[in-house]
Amino acid sequence: QKEVEQNSGPLSVPEGAIASLNCTYSDRVSQSFFWYRQYSGKSPELIMSIYSNGDKEDGRFTAQLNKASQYVSLLIRDSQPSDSATYLCAVTSDTGGFKTIFGAGTRLFVKA
Amino acid sequence: DARVTQTPRDKVTEMGQEVTMRCQPILGHNTVFWYRQTMMQGLELLAYFRNRAPLDDSGMPKDRFSAEMPDATLATLKIQPSEPRDSAVYFCASGFGSGNTGELFFGEGSRLTVL
Repeated sequence: QKEVEQNSGPLSVPEGAIASLNCTYSDRVSQSFFWYRQYSGKSPELIMSIYSNGDKEDGRFTAQLNKASQYVSLLIRDSQPSDSATYLCAVTSDTGGFKTIFGAGTRLFVKA
Repeated sequence: DARVTQTPRDKVTEMGQEVTMRCQPILGHNTVFWYRQTMMQGLELLAYFRNRAPLDDSGMPKDRFSAEMPDATLATLKIQPSEPRDSAVYFCASGFGSGNTGELFFGEGSRLTVL
C-alpha cells in the first residue's frame, strides 16, 4: 500500500463547476497536509496547507481534513481553464524526522 | 525574489557516466529535500536534510546514489554510475520549520536523460 494515494484521473469538469480532489494516507501519525499544483513541465507549487480536522478556505480553494478517516480533499469552486493541472497531495509525519511524502497526483482538466 | 536554484536544467549523458546535480536552497531555509519524478512513479522522496544533517536517504539506491550538503547554501545529488532507468526529473525543494516542513519551495528541476 502506498503511503499517500490519489486517483490519477483525469478528472474533467466544465468551467464554473466544482472540482473535488481526494487523497488518503496510511500513516496515522501524519501531522501536516498539503496540496500542490503542478502545471505540465513545471515544478510543484504549494496552494493549500491544513493541520487540523475540518475545513480551511482560501479564495476558491477549500481543503478538508478528516484524520479519523485518514482523508484529505481539495475543492476548487468556480473552476477555470487555468486550473487545469496535476494536483499533488502531500503528507508530513514525524516518522523519521518530518519527511514529506507525495501522492502520484490527480490530473484535472477544466473545459471552457 | 527568493527561489530554489537547481543546476543543470537539462543533462543528457551516457550510461556509466557520473552525474552531479546541485541545488541552492532559499536563504534561511533549514530543510532540503531531493525528489525524483517520473510518469510511472510520481514524486519519489530520495533524501532529505535538516540543518545540513541527513535524516533519511532510504529512498535512494545506495550503491549508485549519494546526497550531501557541504554547506547551508549547497546540496548535491550524485549518481555514479548512471543507468537508463535513472532518467527522470530531479527536484530539489527547501523549507523551514518542524511540523510544517511540508511547506516546500521547489526548484525548476533537473531533467536527466541517460542513454
